[in-house]
Amino acid sequence: DAKTTQPTSMDCAEGRAANLPCNHSTISGNEYVYWYRQIHSQGPQYIIHGLKNNETNEMASLIITEDRKSSTLILPHATLRDTAVYYCIVRVPQAAGNKLTFGGGTRVLVKP
Amino acid sequence: DTGVSQDPRHKITKRGQNVTFRCDPISEHNRLYWYRQTLGQGPEFLTYFQNEAQLEKSRLLSDRFSAERPKGSFSTLEIQRTEQGDSAMYLCASSVGTGYGYTFGSGTRLTVV
Repeated sequence: DAKTTQPTSMDCAEGRAANLPCNHSTISGNEYVYWYRQIHSQGPQYIIHGLKNNETNEMASLIITEDRKSSTLILPHATLRDTAVYYCIVRVPQAAGNKLTFGGGTRVLVKP
Repeated sequence: DTGVSQDPRHKITKRGQNVTFRCDPISEHNRLYWYRQTLGQGPEFLTYFQNEAQLEKSRLLSDRFSAERPKGSFSTLEIQRTEQGDSAMYLCASSVGTGYGYTFGSGTRLTVV
């Protein structure tokens, strides 16, 4: 699986959009970008994934650059409950093992 | 079925004792995974099952660790002769096939004293 680089931490104001960057410059053509988050004392939670098109669901939007070397997770209206560690992962869904390889993630603190 | 259940939530044990954790996945999920997470780090893959078959084990899984999924439903993770370095959160996850729908449990926090 390709390596990802994320900022260690970031703050966000409640009610504002939170833009979380991820660099994955060595991503290969069949690797998807996945985002998970982990709220304190809970297991990671799936947020969204995409291959090359931008994706949106009820939780967030995923913007992938045209060259696919980076992406941004957007939380449109951050709430205090969005305070968590956010992990960007790139992987091939059908790869043997189907396991997720987590990096250090971005620790997001949403402030009132 | 409300998700992946793990038991116990917390376990404190003395060094050298054996411990066993249980994971009950979402019933229709055929894949089950174990991860370990130490403070400030992301989860690390330990092993995974497809139905009852254990298909991959990480190098992190020493000989003191063993996992089973006897009937392709719940799974147990046993640690023998625990060491202080085993102190961590042990997470279980399940999924259907190779899809994106990983669901994690809340984990078992092990403290070895």
